[in-house]
Amino acid sequence: DQQVKQNSPSLSVQEGRISILNCDYTNSMFDYFLWYKKYPAEGPTFLISISSIKDKNEDGRFTVFLNKSAKHLSLHIVPSQPGDSAVYFCAASRFNTDKLIFGTGTRLQVFP
Amino acid sequence: DAGVIQSPRHEVTEMGQEVTLRCKPISGHNSLFWYRQTMMRGLELLIYFNNNVPIDDSGMPEDRFSAKMPNASFSTLKIQPSEPRDSAVYFCASSLGTGDHTDTQYFGPGTRLTVL
Repeated sequence: DQQVKQNSPSLSVQEGRISILNCDYTNSMFDYFLWYKKYPAEGPTFLISISSIKDKNEDGRFTVFLNKSAKHLSLHIVPSQPGDSAVYFCAASRFNTDKLIFGTGTRLQVFP
Repeated sequence: DAGVIQSPRHEVTEMGQEVTLRCKPISGHNSLFWYRQTMMRGLELLIYFNNNVPIDDSGMPEDRFSAKMPNASFSTLKIQPSEPRDSAVYFCASSLGTGDHTDTQYFGPGTRLTVL
């Protein structure tokens, strides 16, 4: 039972354009959402997060949007750069547990 | 500061052999997590500890898997006997473990396990 879903296994975007990565979740008890970035042969690194009391959080070129009614979040990268090429994991957690539930990841490729 | 340290980085073994993966969390972190990454299921939490005590092991696949945390600076994940379907990348992560579920988890570089 996949509680966090990333339905697009891959995405290819031209440098300078916007990258939009999507994530859906099923558990309405989730109240904190994160994106992690992973380069080959490295561990995932934290990128950005959002609490369920917000609908948007911005950090430089990265913005996460949360639509609670649709149980959907997205990560926008503007402008996209070749160094952004990586696998992006969406994750969610709920109050009273440190447990993170991850999606299967989306491989982003940014080409010149 | 050193991040999460995992060893070995790569492990190739034959079916039926015992495999032990090791992890040293970031100093001062009280929570430690073991994950497995596969193409089909992405990143799955196997088990996590807080203050060296296992809190949730519901993700441990079966009795062949066991994890220990004898002290605050060391944990092991053991597979005995190993099977080809255990082939995956295993990550260890740690966090402050203050009881705030928004504590950031920091991942190690992973151990790529291949069981022949």
